[in-house]
Amino acid sequence: GAVVSQHPSRVICKSGTSVKIECRSLDFQATTMFWYRQFPKQSLMLMATSNEGSKATYEQGVEKDKFLINHASLTLSTLTVTSAHPEDSSFYICSANGRQGPSYEQYFGPGTRLTVT
Amino acid sequence: KNEVEQSPQNLTAQEGEFITINCSYSVGISALHWLQQHPGGGIVSLFMLSSGKKKHGRLIATINIQEKHSSLHITASHPRDSAVYICAVRSMGGGSNYKLTFGKGTLLTVNP
Repeated sequence: GAVVSQHPSRVICKSGTSVKIECRSLDFQATTMFWYRQFPKQSLMLMATSNEGSKATYEQGVEKDKFLINHASLTLSTLTVTSAHPEDSSFYICSANGRQGPSYEQYFGPGTRLTVT
Repeated sequence: KNEVEQSPQNLTAQEGEFITINCSYSVGISALHWLQQHPGGGIVSLFMLSSGKKKHGRLIATINIQEKHSSLHITASHPRDSAVYICAVRSMGGGSNYKLTFGKGTLLTVNP
């Protein structure tokens, strides 16, 4: 099946610094990628939808200046957490849409655990 | 009230038991996903279905569109099936920009 990778898998950073997370579709082209955040024992929450070559669409309550998304190619999207704070500590998951016959299927990355100290 | 409700929230079973996890939703959907999340966090898509029933190995997923309900069954459960199982519904509309709405997940523990 289709594979989506994320890098890094785990990152610890100091408060006030920025962190970049990469999401790659390894064996298919993804016109749309999604970024999710998951807090402990909670469900995934969609942060933004990213289309290749255009600006990301952010969900209500997600600060676009804090969570910068770049989708420069059909296989790569990046999420940069700027000026990170401890409350940004979370599990960040990306997914990418790939064609399955007439419809699209979402393939999930393994996630990135961010800890801000 | 969540758009996607799962039950039970927690489920403990003995190895070999037949397991059912339920998902109800309140909005119109184009498809429903069953996902598996292991303790490390990575998510695996088990099924995507929009009608009827699908089977893969010991896993069976069914959906009733009229009743807005889906079930995930695991036959002959095994400790390695221990994970969080998440139901997610896909919004109506075509194209690649659809959104998923997730249930809170069911934590399954299968004891040897």
